[in-house]
Amino acid sequence: DVKVTQSSRYLVKRTGEKVFLECVQDMDHENMFWYRQDPGLGLRLIYFSYDVKMKEKGDIPEGYSVSREKKERFSLILESASTNQTSMYLCASSRPYQPQHFGDGTRLSIL
Amino acid sequence: AQTVTQSQPEMSVQEAETVTLSCTYDTSESNYYLFWYKQPPSRQMILVIRQEAYKQQNATENRFSVNFQKAAKSFSLKISDSQLGDTAMYFCAFIYQGGSEKLVFGKGTKLTVNP
Repeated sequence: DVKVTQSSRYLVKRTGEKVFLECVQDMDHENMFWYRQDPGLGLRLIYFSYDVKMKEKGDIPEGYSVSREKKERFSLILESASTNQTSMYLCASSRPYQPQHFGDGTRLSIL
Repeated sequence: AQTVTQSQPEMSVQEAETVTLSCTYDTSESNYYLFWYKQPPSRQMILVIRQEAYKQQNATENRFSVNFQKAAKSFSLKISDSQLGDTAMYFCAFIYQGGSEKLVFGKGTKLTVNP
């Protein structure tokens, strides 16, 4: 079974902090994704990556950056956290044009 | 631009009955894939079923089946013999071959199965 592991299930941070969300997959997938999920808005893509050191902006990249130094790891960075970034964050991975496999999610609260 | 619309924000069904969740999509592409994902409360999002656009036969996975109407751009999910464990958010999603790897999601349907 594909395993996508997100480093934290719940996280509480303060406004202005730099926040790192980590995601690791164990199936050698080329593609990795970061989404945020908010009630009534569904899933919105923040960033995705086709390969190591490659990244592309999704629909809502503002206020976020990403890093993919190794194939199995994809990090989401909130450079200066704000309260409107309080949300559920989901990481996913896939082979090209195959279904995405999701992690358990990180519920992030910014106070 | 590709869009996915789920017109039913919430639905409920009695245990053992059948329920159908609606999904429509908009695209000018001819080669694409459609998916239904399930997200139980506080649990991981998992794939329920997938359909390749070039296949005319509707996909089936145990109690889950789809009604894929390509001309109408419709992709509904039928759940037969509903079980309490089917209570979840259900998301319809679309990806087209040859484009970016972005999955386009609908906003979801919250399904409650009542005992």
